[in-house]
Amino acid sequence: QQQVKQSPQSLIVQKGGISIINCAYENTAFDYFPWYQQFPGKGPALLIAIRPDVSEKKEGRFTISFNKSAKQFSLHIMDSQPGDSATYFCAALNSGNTPLVFGKGTRLSVIA
Amino acid sequence: NAGVTQTPKFQVLKTGQSMTLQCAQDMNHNSMYWYRQDPGMGLRLIYYSASEGTTDKGEVPNGYNVSRLNKREFSLRLESAAPSQTSVYFCASSRDPLNTEAFFGQGTRLTVV
Repeated sequence: QQQVKQSPQSLIVQKGGISIINCAYENTAFDYFPWYQQFPGKGPALLIAIRPDVSEKKEGRFTISFNKSAKQFSLHIMDSQPGDSATYFCAALNSGNTPLVFGKGTRLSVIA
Repeated sequence: NAGVTQTPKFQVLKTGQSMTLQCAQDMNHNSMYWYRQDPGMGLRLIYYSASEGTTDKGEVPNGYNVSRLNKREFSLRLESAAPSQTSVYFCASSRDPLNTEAFFGQGTRLTVV
């Protein structure tokens, strides 16, 4: 049973456009929702994260939107750049109880 | 500051052979994890160690064993490798038991023929 469902599997965006990746979860005990970014040949690295007590968190061009009632959260990349081309993973955990569980990933390609 | 170091980076095994993947972290983290990454499957947890002296199964533990050698080191062993274990393996660590940010190593690409 997949605990975190991520879509789309792949995404192509024009340079300067907005990239949007969505995730949904079922376990209401999850209390931390990070996004990880992975470049080819590298390990994933934390990009941005949110807790369910806020509906939005912004760091530079990256924004997480969180909808607790719908059990959904999404990553928005504004003004997408070719350097943003990578695989993005959403994840979730129940702090102190369960390790991170990951979505299946979205391969983002930003084309000029 | 090396962070999380995995060895080896690449390995080819024959079916039935055994090997141990090594992982060490220098951040004084308490928790360590082993994930495998397969195309279209994301990152799946194999085993984890919430703190030194403890280990627990994750989502896909069959065919693997782990050892938390000390606070720094967490190894993953394949006793009898199978082609289904062809994957990229990532070790990760986090500061507090099952706490938020996990730091990942560079990965080990394993092929079983």
